[in-house]
Amino acid sequence: DTGVSQDPRHKITKRGQNVTFRCDPISEHNRLYWYRQTLGQGPEFLTYFQNEAQLEKSRLLSDRFSAERPKGSFSTLEIQRTEQGDSAMYLCASSSWVADTGELFFGEGSRLTVL
Amino acid sequence: GENVEQHPSTLSVQEGDSAVIKCTYSDSASNYFPWYKQELGKGPQLIIDIRSNVGEKKDQRIAVTLNKTAKHFSLHITETQPEDSAVYFCAEAGNQFYFGTGTSLTVIP
Repeated sequence: DTGVSQDPRHKITKRGQNVTFRCDPISEHNRLYWYRQTLGQGPEFLTYFQNEAQLEKSRLLSDRFSAERPKGSFSTLEIQRTEQGDSAMYLCASSSWVADTGELFFGEGSRLTVL
Repeated sequence: GENVEQHPSTLSVQEGDSAVIKCTYSDSASNYFPWYKQELGKGPQLIIDIRSNVGEKKDQRIAVTLNKTAKHFSLHITETQPEDSAVYFCAEAGNQFYFGTGTSLTVIP
């Protein structure tokens, strides 16, 4: 399978703990996006990378959220001091961005439950 | 770029009937408008897209229309089948992709 993969698929944690999600994009894709999706809502944009550069991070929900893509390949999304309101599905997507366009390919998501 | 309105939120149709979902957007600079289908427990998958230099695009039973002047675009599914039942999202894209709130489509056999 050469699609976008996310790990873990499910994470249950206690409030106050830190969690990290990993995303492996399609190998030739230069752009990588993180979204959050809550029940009954569309994906909510968080941040994106072009290669290793984080081009937009103002949409990260708070300073407890951070993302990295150190070598322009896989990416991690970390949530520090989790709160119950952080419970959601975290989706990663990648695209081959050329000439101001590119189809988004999504992973299956990482579902976070904060107790 | 982030104000994408999608209607209706739920839609039930009889198998074989048509389904129409509508979206409006606010950013006149957006030039790419994809539609995604999301099944339970899975990530969204692209089903059709349209670029700003085109008014209509069709792929078998699925079509999308775009009115840039009015800033709205629509998804049309004809001859619906039970496997079309899912949540559908529209999106507008510049550098980021902004999604609508989704339409839960149920096709009744």
